[in-house]
Amino acid sequence: NAGVMQNPRHLVRRRGQEARLRCSPMKGHSHVYWYRQLPEEGLKFMVYLQKENIIDESGMPKERFSAEFPKEGPSILRIQQVVRGDSAAYFCASSPPGQGKVIQYFGAGTRLSVL
Amino acid sequence: AQSVAQPEDQVNVAEGNPLTVKCTYSVSGNPYLFWYVQYPNRGLQFLLKYITGDNLVKGSYGFEAEFNKSQTSFHLKKPSALVSDSALYFCAVSMDTGRRALTFGSGTRLQVQP
Repeated sequence: NAGVMQNPRHLVRRRGQEARLRCSPMKGHSHVYWYRQLPEEGLKFMVYLQKENIIDESGMPKERFSAEFPKEGPSILRIQQVVRGDSAAYFCASSPPGQGKVIQYFGAGTRLSVL
Repeated sequence: AQSVAQPEDQVNVAEGNPLTVKCTYSVSGNPYLFWYVQYPNRGLQFLLKYITGDNLVKGSYGFEAEFNKSQTSFHLKKPSALVSDSALYFCAVSMDTGRRALTFGSGTRLQVQP
């Protein structure tokens, strides 16, 4: 059973470009979470999605950031018009459905560098 | 609002000695508590969790943690440290309300010296 797969592992963008980060959850997992980690800091929650639904986006910046988890295919975190402050590691996690299934399993992350 | 504090940026311990990495939390209900470990340029690996039941929980790689409700703490422990335990450790909390977002502490770097 493959783990949570994120790609690309490293992404370089110039200011003003768009960044698309992809996450394929573990097999059988229907819940996806995105977190951001700034250098030498802990992870900060961004958004929680289930298939075709955004459940909790309380940690998402109001502008330029969006996320989706379509019926088919990976979850996408999209950052429009990137700025230098968006440089960070972005981690995706997944968990299976079910009331007691609370463990989140993390991918290796995408490291975004904005020039 | 929920929060997690890891008061030590770094913990140094000699190989073979016991280790403790501290974590305190603040939530307005019943907490779900987690420890994760992060190796350089890697994602987080789950170590252990407390949901309910016994206050002492055992996890991967010989780690354990004790839930103390009165002190709102969930310290990570291991009886005998290994050099390979050197990594960044994160404590995290969520709620039993169904809101699944994890709130992480700032992390503690564990350095085990040979």
